Amino acid sequence: EAEVAQSPRYKITEKSQAVAFWCDPISGHATLYWYRQILGQGPELLVQFQDESVVDDSQLPKDRFSAERLKGVDSTLKIQPAELGDSAMYLCASSLWTAGYEQYFGPGTRLTVT
Amino acid sequence: SQKIEQNSEALNIQEGKTATLTCNYTNYSPAYLQWYRQDPGRGPVFLLLIRENEKEKRKERLKVTFDTTLKQSLFHITASQPADSATYLCALGGNAGNMLTFGGGTRLMVKP
Repeated sequence: EAEVAQSPRYKITEKSQAVAFWCDPISGHATLYWYRQILGQGPELLVQFQDESVVDDSQLPKDRFSAERLKGVDSTLKIQPAELGDSAMYLCASSLWTAGYEQYFGPGTRLTVT
Repeated sequence: SQKIEQNSEALNIQEGKTATLTCNYTNYSPAYLQWYRQDPGRGPVFLLLIRENEKEKRKERLKVTFDTTLKQSLFHITASQPADSATYLCALGGNAGNMLTFGGGTRLMVKP
């Protein structure tokens, strides 16, 4: 069964350093999402791509976060510089298309900023 | 402001009983609602989707209801098993963009 791949699974970094997360969605899925999940809370959408275009990034802290999906397939989320409050699980998800479709989540990247 | 509320306290039930989880929302007009299961340290897994014009949806031991007047969805697991122990998330979506807004989740513990 096809799955969403994410790497790394765990990342420990010092504050002010740069970090990057990678996501490979299920083949053929046009829509890709990045979420942040703080322990004990639900996932919060950071950015949504339709193919290579950003559909929604209203919750992305653009002063330090950036995301790209250059060829409309895999995607990278970057944080520079990392802050202590960025410690969380970063989840990538994909769906076949847009409204009304189930989302398939990857295993996530657990980020710890020290 | 928009708000999605799920019981933040864990729900503890005995094996074989029916578990009922609640999702209430305010200041939303969702076109559909989804339920996901999340195990510790893993990504959510899709369970069911119900649209605004549907009252009820079933899948095996799972049942979801959606009352747009009460602004509430109920999620039922019948004949619960210890393997059903997990956190269950509800998420609301609109017609544009498939952007989902998640509730905080309810942790279910099924005891043998």
